[in-house]
Amino acid sequence: EAGVTQFPSHSVIEKGQTVTLRCDPISGHDNLYWYRRVMGKEIKFLLHFVKESKQDESGMPNNRFLAERTGGTYSTLKVQPAELEDSGVYFCASSRGLAGSFSYEQYFGPGTRLTVT
Amino acid sequence: GNSVTQMEGPVTLSEEAFLTINCTYTATGYPSLFWYVQYPGEGLQLLLKATKADDKGSNKGFEATYRKETTSFHLEKGSVQVSDSAVYFCALSGYTGNQFYFGTGTSLTVIP
Repeated sequence: EAGVTQFPSHSVIEKGQTVTLRCDPISGHDNLYWYRRVMGKEIKFLLHFVKESKQDESGMPNNRFLAERTGGTYSTLKVQPAELEDSGVYFCASSRGLAGSFSYEQYFGPGTRLTVT
Repeated sequence: GNSVTQMEGPVTLSEEAFLTINCTYTATGYPSLFWYVQYPGEGLQLLLKATKADDKGSNKGFEATYRKETTSFHLEKGSVQVSDSAVYFCALSGYTGNQFYFGTGTSLTVIP
């Protein structure tokens, strides 16, 4: 079974530019999550999809971030326009579990390291 | 609200030394607790978990016990190896299970 994949692995862009990150979850996983780790700090939740619907987007920092999940399969996270403080590692995770269930495991991808200069 | 406080790193140990990485949490309800590990160049992998008080999670020689009275989930290993060098993250998930709350991560380097 293939794991969660993310593309690109690294991205370096200038302030004001646009970047789109992609995540392919494990096949059959309805739940998809985006997280972000800013240098040296904790990994923070951004949002959660159940299939193609946004279940919880309380962690999205502002309206420069737009996440989509086409057809309930892969997801994209677009940052437009990028700011310096958006630099960090963006992780995607997926899980099979149902909302409300206990302790289902989230499977994480390798992350995309975004650097905004 | 939910939060996790994790021991600051980096931690450097000699091979075969004893490892403890402290983790305490604040949570509403009855969370599940996790340790994730990130090896260089890889994604986060679940190392172990515990779903209720007094449960002990274990894997690859690592152990952690869910202590409700001290709100802790400290990670331990009796004899570390060079291959254990990685970043370790403590995390919790509330009973609704929708998002994980992570600590800041602890970088471990084991030297021969």
